[in-house]
Amino acid sequence: EVQLVESGGGLVQPGGSLRLSCAASGFSFSDHYMNWVRQAPGKGLEWVGRTRNKANSYNTDYAPSVKGRFTISRDDSKNSLYLQMNSLKTEDTAVYYCAREFDSSGYSYFDYWGQGALVTVSS
Amino acid sequence: DIVMTQSPDSLAVSLGERATINCKSSQSVFYSSNNKNYLAWYQQKPGQPPKLLSYWASTRESGVPDRFSGSGSGTDFTLTISSLQAEDVAVYYCHQYYTTPWTFGQGTKVEIK
Repeated sequence: EVQLVESGGGLVQPGGSLRLSCAASGFSFSDHYMNWVRQAPGKGLEWVGRTRNKANSYNTDYAPSVKGRFTISRDDSKNSLYLQMNSLKTEDTAVYYCAREFDSSGYSYFDYWGQGALVTVSS
Repeated sequence: DIVMTQSPDSLAVSLGERATINCKSSQSVFYSSNNKNYLAWYQQKPGQPPKLLSYWASTRESGVPDRFSGSGSGTDFTLTISSLQAEDVAVYYCHQYYTTPWTFGQGTKVEIK
């Protein structure tokens, strides 16, 4: 069974940093592109960014709203995905989901999602 | 960026009746070389993550009831629930994966009338 479990959420002050993790199991993690998607309270879904797999040099893509502040990485030996968030703003307050792309074509839908981790940016 | 616009923002439908959600993209998400539309639909119930309903605009995900169907091509897409059940109360999102940044519609809330 495919499972994605986020951790590391919490309360952080504006300008602060936080690192989220996503532990994957039940599939060959190293083969898949992995994404982060967030959802502000009561709002819709917003793509944050993704990391490709080793075959594609672990290259990353980011949404303009987080580029330069957030960094996505992965450790295939630990079946884990990470989101390092720096210079956090109040508008980054959201539930952050990790999501698996179905295949490694580079253009694929999200077939599995984690339960999410809540990040609150507030003074 | 491709802007995805859903309509309506919310709708109330009687049990057993049809629900129709529209999604329009600001540019085509159809790739002619493989004849595919890069459009997915998700269902999100309160307190839960999104769940994949369909992809390639009209391919139903395994395990999804056949009352859910996706259609459309190019820039105009539709998700239809043929006979609304109580468990279908949720917010529905369309998603384009034609080009990054991936983008979603704003969501359509479906309720029981």
